[in-house]
Amino acid sequence: DTAVSQTPKYLVTQMGNDKSIKCEQNLGHDTMYWYKQDSKKFLKIMFSYNNKELIINETVPNRFSPKSPDKAHLNLHINSLELGDSAVYFCASSQEIRVTGNEQYFGPGTRLTVT
Amino acid sequence: QQQVKQSPQSLIVQKGGISIINCAYENTAFDYFPWYQQFPGKGPALLIAIRPDVSEKKEGRFTISFNKSAKQFSLHIMDSQPGDSATYFCAASLTGSASKLTFGTGTRLQVTL
Repeated sequence: DTAVSQTPKYLVTQMGNDKSIKCEQNLGHDTMYWYKQDSKKFLKIMFSYNNKELIINETVPNRFSPKSPDKAHLNLHINSLELGDSAVYFCASSQEIRVTGNEQYFGPGTRLTVT
Repeated sequence: QQQVKQSPQSLIVQKGGISIINCAYENTAFDYFPWYQQFPGKGPALLIAIRPDVSEKKEGRFTISFNKSAKQFSLHIMDSQPGDSATYFCAASLTGSASKLTFGTGTRLQVTL
């Protein structure tokens, strides 16, 4: 009954390779996000999708390409991986509720290591 | 530009004590202020959140205090327990679909016996 799931949990790859991370949410939310957490634990938004439409693209290199096949899934494809891409990538989802606000629920993360 | 500033960077509190983490924001349009708790190897988990129309919100041992005029908010953890040892992030967001969370830099809390 995992709310937001990601695969894989760990990803070790060499520079120059292309890799994908998958995310699925079963909360019925209409918005999904990708965040990056760097080695200093700083969390920063990368992308958000609302009803499969790209809403936020936060100054991310175009080597990163998100894809949302449906409201429950948001994948992240990374081309030509670089050392600086090593980080933990978190998927999140939310359903805007006027009273409570923009409650976002995070997945367990994918630790990407580029060697 | 750091829109949400968080302090302290790390905090050590004795069991039973009060842990206090502070955040300050710049964008007056922000209207949703959550706190997240993150354990090692896990994703951030929503702990408690507040909207700017109230000055305080309490859920169990966790309380958010909000000062709109000072553009500051804080998390108080009463009767801190070793199980509270984690990294805490404040965040801020605008209302609206797909609004991003702007996070503070995190506070690593250690509760000692």
